Amino acid sequence: GENVEQHPSTLSVQEGDSAVIKCTYSDSASNYFPWYKQELGKRPQLIIDIRSNVGEKKDQRIAVTLNKTAKHFSLHITETQPEDSAVYFCAARNTGGFKTIFGAGTRLFVKA
Amino acid sequence: NAGVTQTPKFQVLKTGQSMTLQCAQDMNHNSMYWYRQDPGMGLRLIYYSASEGTTDKGEVPNGYNVSRLNKREFSLRLESAAPSQTSVYFCASSEVKGAAYEQYFGPGTRLTVT
Repeated sequence: GENVEQHPSTLSVQEGDSAVIKCTYSDSASNYFPWYKQELGKRPQLIIDIRSNVGEKKDQRIAVTLNKTAKHFSLHITETQPEDSAVYFCAARNTGGFKTIFGAGTRLFVKA
Repeated sequence: NAGVTQTPKFQVLKTGQSMTLQCAQDMNHNSMYWYRQDPGMGLRLIYYSASEGTTDKGEVPNGYNVSRLNKREFSLRLESAAPSQTSVYFCASSEVKGAAYEQYFGPGTRLTVT
C-alpha cells in the first residue's frame, strides 16, 4: 500500500546549525506534500507545504524541496533555534482523494 | 473562532467498555478526519468524511465506527475497547481553498484502555 518513509527518526543539532529531514513516498499519484510540526503534548500544525508542480518553496528559515522523479522531498531548517525543537512529520496526498499518508516523524532537538 | 475542538481530553476505559469521542469544527469545512497517533508510527487515518452524509474507511478502521452528525460534528465510537486502542486520537478538518489543502487538527484525546 501507500507508504511514506521519513529519516532520521531523531536529529540533534547545535543552535544556529541547519537541520535536514528527508522523506520518500511510494504513491506516484501523490501531488501534495505538507510538513507538520508537533510540540510536546500539542496538536500537529502545518508549517509549510509544496505541490508537485513546484521544485522548491521557502518561508523564512524553512524550505522544502521536491524531486518527483525520485519521489523524495526534504525539509530544511536554517539557523535553528531552541524553539524549533519538536517532532516534524512529512506527509503525502493525492489531491484527488482524501487520504494523507504521514511519515513516522523526526524528533528534532536544538541544543542551546 | 475555536477551530477544531475535541472532548474528552483524557479517558481511561476498561477492556470491553464503549465510548464516543466527539469532534466539532466551526470553520465551515466540508471534510473531517479521525487519526490515531502511536509512538514511532506517525498519524494513521481511521475514518474520514469527505462531506456531510458520507464516511469512508482509512488505513486502520477495525474496531471503530463513525458518525457525521452534521457539517460541524464528526464522532468516533469504540464499541468494545481493547488495549491495542490505547492511543492519542486527533480529529481534523480541511477545505480546498485554491492551492491550499491544509488540515486543521484538534487538541487530541489521550485514551488508555486497561
